[in-house]
Amino acid sequence: QVQLQESGPGLVKPSQTLSLTCTVSGGSITSGDYYWSWIRQYPGKGLEWIGYSYYGGRTNYNPSLKSRVTISVDMSKKQFSLKLSSVSAADTAVYYCAKGISVVPAAWSWFDPWGQGTLVTVSS
Amino acid sequence: QSVLTQPPSASGTPGQRVTISCSGSSSNIGSNFVCWYQLLPGTAPKLLIYRNSQRPSGVPDRFSGSKSGTSASLAISGLRSEDVGDYYCAAWDDSLSGWVFGGGTKLTVL
Repeated sequence: QVQLQESGPGLVKPSQTLSLTCTVSGGSITSGDYYWSWIRQYPGKGLEWIGYSYYGGRTNYNPSLKSRVTISVDMSKKQFSLKLSSVSAADTAVYYCAKGISVVPAAWSWFDPWGQGTLVTVSS
Repeated sequence: QSVLTQPPSASGTPGQRVTISCSGSSSNIGSNFVCWYQLLPGTAPKLLIYRNSQRPSGVPDRFSGSKSGTSASLAISGLRSEDVGDYYCAAWDDSLSGWVFGGGTKLTVL
C-alpha cells in the first residue's frame, strides 16, 4: 500500500522559492501506471491542483502557476518535489502530494492516496 | 473562486441520508468523470468516489455518487458522527487541461 509524506520548510519569505518533497513508501515510483502530483488547500479551504510529473519527466502544470512551478521525480530517493518561485502571501496554503492513476485519457484518472499535507506560510 | 460549485455546508442527524451537489460546465463535469474526496480533521484526504460512481475498495457502500449533465452528487446514507468533515468534488477540465475542484462542503452531524 503506497504511502506519501510531505516535508519541507513551514515558513518561506516573500519572493523566495518554496521547496517541498514527498517521500513515497510501500510502492514503486517508477511505474508508468502512476503520476505524481501536488495539490494545495487555501486557508479559506478551496483546493487547487498545482501540477504533476511522470517519473520519465513528462509534466503538466496548472496554467495559472506554470511560470513559477517545477515538479520533478527523484527515482533514487523515491521522492518527488515541488518548487514554486517568487512566492507571495497568496501562496500560503496546506500543500498535499498525491499519486495519480495513469490512464488514457488523463481525464479518466483520479488521485489516490494523498499525503497528510504540510502547511506553508509565506511571511517575512 | 472555485471552478466547480458546491454548497458550503450540509447537515443531518445520525442515520439520515444527505446529498451534496457539485455543479460545473460542459468543459469539466459535462464531458468528464467526477471524483469525490473526503477530508477529515487530522487525516490525509481520502478518495471516496471515482469515475462518477465507482467506490474504491474499503469505502462503505453508504457512499454513492452520480452524475447528470453538468452536475454531480454525492449521497451519504446512514449518516454517522465519523462522517463529519469536508467533501470535495473534482473533475478534469478540458479548457485548463488539468484538474479543477469544488470549494468544499462542510458536513455536520447534528
